[in-house]
Amino acid sequence: QQQVKQSPQSLIVQKGGISIINCAYENTAFDYFPWYQQFPGKGPALLIAIRPDVSEKKEGRFTISFNKSAKQFSLHIMDSQPGDSATYFCAASTGGGNKLTFGTGTQLKVEL
Amino acid sequence: GAVVSQHPSRVICKSGTSVKIECRSLDFQATTMFWYRQFPKKSLMLMATSNEGSKATYEQGVEKDKFLINHASLTLSTLTVTSAHPEDSSFYICSARDVTAGGPHEQFFGPGTRLTVL
Repeated sequence: QQQVKQSPQSLIVQKGGISIINCAYENTAFDYFPWYQQFPGKGPALLIAIRPDVSEKKEGRFTISFNKSAKQFSLHIMDSQPGDSATYFCAASTGGGNKLTFGTGTQLKVEL
Repeated sequence: GAVVSQHPSRVICKSGTSVKIECRSLDFQATTMFWYRQFPKKSLMLMATSNEGSKATYEQGVEKDKFLINHASLTLSTLTVTSAHPEDSSFYICSARDVTAGGPHEQFFGPGTRLTVL
């Protein structure tokens, strides 16, 4: 019930391409869905987050698409750059600032 | 704003000793802090939720007597790994919730502490 499933486990994209990472959840009480970027040896950094009352949110090259009925959400990275090479985690939490449940992570490599 | 620091960034200790890791919110007050553990190429696993002035809430399977958490002020939480063993070697990450910025869900993560137990 508390799991967040993330795919793919790893992803290689050419510079300038679109990176797409998908997540699915079961718990309908989740109402906050953030994406984090983590570089090796560093803590995660919040990229972008969405609440279930909107279907899409865009910030710069990063877009979250949210499908409430399917209980799925995805991260799109437009014009992917080598500097985007990192591990990306989706997460979800319930109201009131409760604990985050993380996906399993996607290791993204953007090649020149 | 919303910066979280951890100290030390790396620590190597001998088996059987105790190690304390500090987590500080530098520019905001954090009523709630979270402690995570991360193995190589794996996701973050929540160990415990630390509330200022009260006892920490541990996740199932986490030994509270082994991983002592203290949240004595609104800007500092500590994790003490007692009688450390090689299997405790991991990357420990804290996060803090800033209730005044980004709503109640926003968590800001520290840079992590790499613990190696010999």
